[in-house]
Amino acid sequence: QKEVEQDPGPLSVPEGAIVSLNCTYSNSAFQYFMWYRQYSRKGPELLMYTYSSGNKEDGRFTAQVDKSSKYISLFIRDSQPSDSATYLCAMRNSSASKIIFGSGTRLSIRP
Amino acid sequence: EAGVVQSPRYKIIEKKQPVAFWCNPISGHNTLYWYLQNLGQGPELLIRYENEEAVDDSQLPKDRFSAERLKGVDSTLKIQPAELGDSAVYLCASSFTPDREETQYFGPGTRLLVL
Repeated sequence: QKEVEQDPGPLSVPEGAIVSLNCTYSNSAFQYFMWYRQYSRKGPELLMYTYSSGNKEDGRFTAQVDKSSKYISLFIRDSQPSDSATYLCAMRNSSASKIIFGSGTRLSIRP
Repeated sequence: EAGVVQSPRYKIIEKKQPVAFWCNPISGHNTLYWYLQNLGQGPELLIRYENEEAVDDSQLPKDRFSAERLKGVDSTLKIQPAELGDSAVYLCASSFTPDREETQYFGPGTRLLVL
C-alpha cells in the first residue's frame, strides 16, 4: 500500500463548477500538507500549504485537512479552463524530512 | 526573477549510454533537489543538497546514478549506463532553508527517453 493515495482521474467538469480533489494517507506522523498544480510539460508549482488539521483559503482555492481520518481535500470554486492541469497532493512529517507526493489527479474544465 | 533552469529539456539516448542533466537553482536558494517523475506518478526524491552537502541520497541508485553540486550553486545528475527503465522526467527544485513552509520551486524538467 502506498503512503499517499490519490485518484488519478481524469476528472472533467464544466466551467464554473466546484471541484473537489482528495487524498488519503496512512502515516499518522504527517504534519505538513501541500497541493501542487502541474501543467503539461511543466514542473509542479505550490498552490496551498497547510500545517496540521483545519482549513485554509486562498482566493478560489480551499485546502482541508482531517488528520483523524487521514484525509485531505482541495476545493476549487468557480473553476476556469485555466485550472485544467494535474493536481498533486504532498505531505511530510518534520521540517527536515522528504515530501511524499500522491500520483496526481488529472483535471479538465470544459468551457 | 529567473526560475529554476534545467537543460537539456529533452534527451534521447540508447541504452548503456551515459547521460547528464544540469540544473541552476533560483539565486540564493541553498537547498537543491533532484526528483524522478514517471508517467502518471508524482515526483520521487532522488537526492537533496544543502549547499554542497548531499544530506539525503538514500533513494539514489548509486550503482548507476551520481550527482554533484561542487560550489553549492548549480548541480549535475548523471546516469551511467542508462537502462530502458530510466525513461522518465527528471525534475530539479530549489528552496530557501530554514523555511518552515519549505516552498520548493520546480524547474520544467528534462524528459529522458532510453531506447
